[in-house]
Amino acid sequence: DGGITQSPKYLFRKEGQNVTLSCEQNLNHDAMYWYRQDPGQGLRLIYYSQIVNDFQKGDIAEGYSVSREKKESFPLTVTSAQKNPTAFYLCASSRVGRGATNEKLFFGSGTQLSVL
Amino acid sequence: AQSVTQLDSQVPVFEEAPVELRCNYSSSVSVYLFWYVQYPNQGLQLLLKYLSGSTLVKGINGFEAEFNKSQTSFHLRKPSVHISDTAEYFCAVNSGGSNYKLTFGKGTLLTVNP
Repeated sequence: DGGITQSPKYLFRKEGQNVTLSCEQNLNHDAMYWYRQDPGQGLRLIYYSQIVNDFQKGDIAEGYSVSREKKESFPLTVTSAQKNPTAFYLCASSRVGRGATNEKLFFGSGTQLSVL
Repeated sequence: AQSVTQLDSQVPVFEEAPVELRCNYSSSVSVYLFWYVQYPNQGLQLLLKYLSGSTLVKGINGFEAEFNKSQTSFHLRKPSVHISDTAEYFCAVNSGGSNYKLTFGKGTLLTVNP
């Protein structure tokens, strides 16, 4: 089945530690996104990438980093600079390109990150 | 700038009752509107979207929404809900066309009781 796989489902971070959330897709989508979801706050965009080896900051990029070395993969690192990392993190993907505006976003099942 | 307001954070209803989840938006240009659903501990799925044309949009699972430009609203409706419709529903607006410009509302938790 085509889709997006996020791992792990639950992750715990110690003070001062960097942690990396995995996101893999086999939908052959060019664009990938990371969102942060806090209770009652909706989704906020952290980073997005529309092509391999290129990515852009979203609305709340501080304390996070990403890479896009392969089309299928878009890992997110939550660094120690992110002082309030506890949240549900969602990865998504979509088509881009000529005629592909307002495309449906396909989401993974999310990773719940908590601070120890 | 664009924004989305979902007027109700929680909506409890009984099974087989009708439901309306309200969404208002603001934007200085033409908009594209979406409703996504999130089941517990899962990602979001697209229910329906309005890009142009007919203002009444039908989606999956029996949901529909009506775009009202004068009232800047895009309310979601279902005539008869099931227990399985219990989920969080997000309205989203995009005035730029590119997906990374999508702005989500804060969500409405629909709880369907037997």
